[in-house]
Amino acid sequence: AQSVSQHNHHVILSEAASLELGCNYSYGGTVNLFWYVQYPGQHLQLLLKYFSGDPLVKGIKGFEAEFIKSKFSFNLRKPSVQWSDTAEYFCAVSPIKAAGNKLTFGGGTRVLVKP
Amino acid sequence: DAGVIQSPRHEVTEMGQEVTLRCKPISGHNSLFWYRQTMMRGLELLIYFNNNVPIDDSGMPEDRFSAKMPNASFSTLKIQPSEPRDSAVYFCASSLFRSQDKYGYTFGSGTRLTVV
Repeated sequence: AQSVSQHNHHVILSEAASLELGCNYSYGGTVNLFWYVQYPGQHLQLLLKYFSGDPLVKGIKGFEAEFIKSKFSFNLRKPSVQWSDTAEYFCAVSPIKAAGNKLTFGGGTRVLVKP
Repeated sequence: DAGVIQSPRHEVTEMGQEVTLRCKPISGHNSLFWYRQTMMRGLELLIYFNNNVPIDDSGMPEDRFSAKMPNASFSTLKIQPSEPRDSAVYFCASSLFRSQDKYGYTFGSGTRLTVV
């Protein structure tokens, strides 16, 4: 079974700082990769996704993620965060199989951006 | 599109009572997922359906939990009897079968369950 690890549980940073959240997965086959964001009191929303092609994926709100296959990683980055980026971020993996896929989520990283 | 609709948004119940959570997926989606979110365990997949058929219920904690999807536009998650440790936010998500790897899931707003 696949698993997803997010090594940082909590991140605190100031506005305009750069953000990088780590995500590693374990699965021997081909996967699709996702980052979701959950703002306080809200549901999960898709931030960006990777299926194939350019390993550098750009998402909404200035976020991007890089898939490094050799490292089984899909780290999320944002060059300059804003207070409104305070949220919990989840990495997720979906193995590509014929019979439909289910997402496995990492444990999440809580990001607090101080104004 | 109204998105994935869950009800109720909040539920407070006494231990031992039956709780029913409801979900209406996005029209046209034929995969539906129930997740539970807690501080201790994060997001856990409880069960998912494809074309109204349960595919994987290995995440259902125990027999007190049951889920149904009688048609493409409605699903329920029932806990009977409820216990304080069931307190969590329960999310429903839907997707288009076999395309979900391209679009990910759309989540509902969740039901915050408190069992006292």
